[in-house]
Amino acid sequence: GENVEQHPSTLSVQEGDSAVIKCTYSDSASNYFPWYKQELGKRPQLIIDIRSNVGEKKDQRIAVTLNKTAKHFSLHITETQPEDSAVYFCAASISGGIYGGSQGNLIFGKGTKLSVKP
Amino acid sequence: DAGVTQSPTHLIKTRGQQVTLRCSPKSGHDTVSWYQQALGQGPQFIFQYYEEEERQRGNFPDRFSGHQFPNYSSELNVNALLLGDSALYLCASSRPYRQPTDGYTFGSGTRLTVV
Repeated sequence: GENVEQHPSTLSVQEGDSAVIKCTYSDSASNYFPWYKQELGKRPQLIIDIRSNVGEKKDQRIAVTLNKTAKHFSLHITETQPEDSAVYFCAASISGGIYGGSQGNLIFGKGTKLSVKP
Repeated sequence: DAGVTQSPTHLIKTRGQQVTLRCSPKSGHDTVSWYQQALGQGPQFIFQYYEEEERQRGNFPDRFSGHQFPNYSSELNVNALLLGDSALYLCASSRPYRQPTDGYTFGSGTRLTVV
């Protein structure tokens, strides 16, 4: 089955610096890759996602890149702010079956604890 | 527009007991998935329900069972609780099944403690 590895497990940056979190996946059939932010005691919240037909996606200070050949994808956060401090999870799934539908279950990485120091 | 709601928020049970957790999906969503998140770990997939049937299942024993109702809400049942079942149980809903998902919306979870 699918396996998702996430690195680093902890990341500390100064406010204003960039942060990069990397994930690799094992199942070449995976085609949907979301990133979730989870603050302490709160639910995971989707911050950005990418599908396998796209190599890069950007939303303001957040961007995700995907390399299908190497089976890895990365989250980039620029101009980090203290409120970016949280645990970030990457995930992979297979979305879209032979009938164009169905939704595969998400396989999550173990998370990266990001600390942004003011 | 209400998001995903879960109840209860916290629960303490004794080893060997049974527990039922509840989830109401986001409006417009018809698929419900359940995840177990141990402390310091990523969520692990338990199972997914669509049209009141279990469609996919993760690597969890039969002690974990579920149900989906006609209004798309769902229950997670765990029998013969073990200390290792202590975790945050997350419910996630998604848009109509026969369409590629545009993301799963998670509830705030139920914190289960088994003593």
